Amino acid sequence: DIVMTQTPPSLSVTLGQPASISCKSSQSLLHSDGKTYFFWYLQRPGQAPQLLIYEVSSRFSGAPDRFSGSGSGTDFTLKISRVEAEDIGLYYCMQGTHLPITFGQGTRLDIK
Amino acid sequence: QVQLQQWGAGLLKPSETLSLTCAVYGGSVSGRSWSWIRQSPEKGLEWIGDISYSDITTYNPSFKSRVAMSVDTSKNHFSLNLTSVTAADTAMYYCARGVQQWGQGVLVTVSS
Repeated sequence: DIVMTQTPPSLSVTLGQPASISCKSSQSLLHSDGKTYFFWYLQRPGQAPQLLIYEVSSRFSGAPDRFSGSGSGTDFTLKISRVEAEDIGLYYCMQGTHLPITFGQGTRLDIK
Repeated sequence: QVQLQQWGAGLLKPSETLSLTCAVYGGSVSGRSWSWIRQSPEKGLEWIGDISYSDITTYNPSFKSRVAMSVDTSKNHFSLNLTSVTAADTAMYYCARGVQQWGQGVLVTVSS
């Protein structure tokens, strides 16, 4: 199975400041069809995970534009340009290129 | 907008069968694939598998011998069965539209 490693495990950010989360995969996530099936989710307290970013850098419907994704191959990054109070929660990366689909262990974001 | 509502028994004894159903509202179960994912403190997020509207299934090998998924187009819902449960199957179980949109989750506890 593909291992997804997120760093840092947690981060504390001042409102209005940027934040960045890294995710590294144990193998390249470039699919033979030319796409990279890499996703970012946010799980707010008491809620199900919700999709923020799909295929590395495309924002899902409803995801604020302060969220951006980048990366390729095995290294990926989620950036929040200016953290807002509603951004607190657990962030997960996920790969869907190789079966079985696997997730990172999560990064907890809170407000400093 | 598509909404997913899921239900099923929340308390099981070891060796029993976990059965969950996810109804699709505001859209059709046809023409898409549907997933089951679970989350526990011990193992984090685990993809159990998915099923297409035409009943093609893809299962995580970790569950393959115990899992069965089905789609009922007449009722516009899809289901998960997991046999021979143990305490290790205690988790929040989510249904999802592909990997994009998740249901609210059902907490399943396995205890004697």
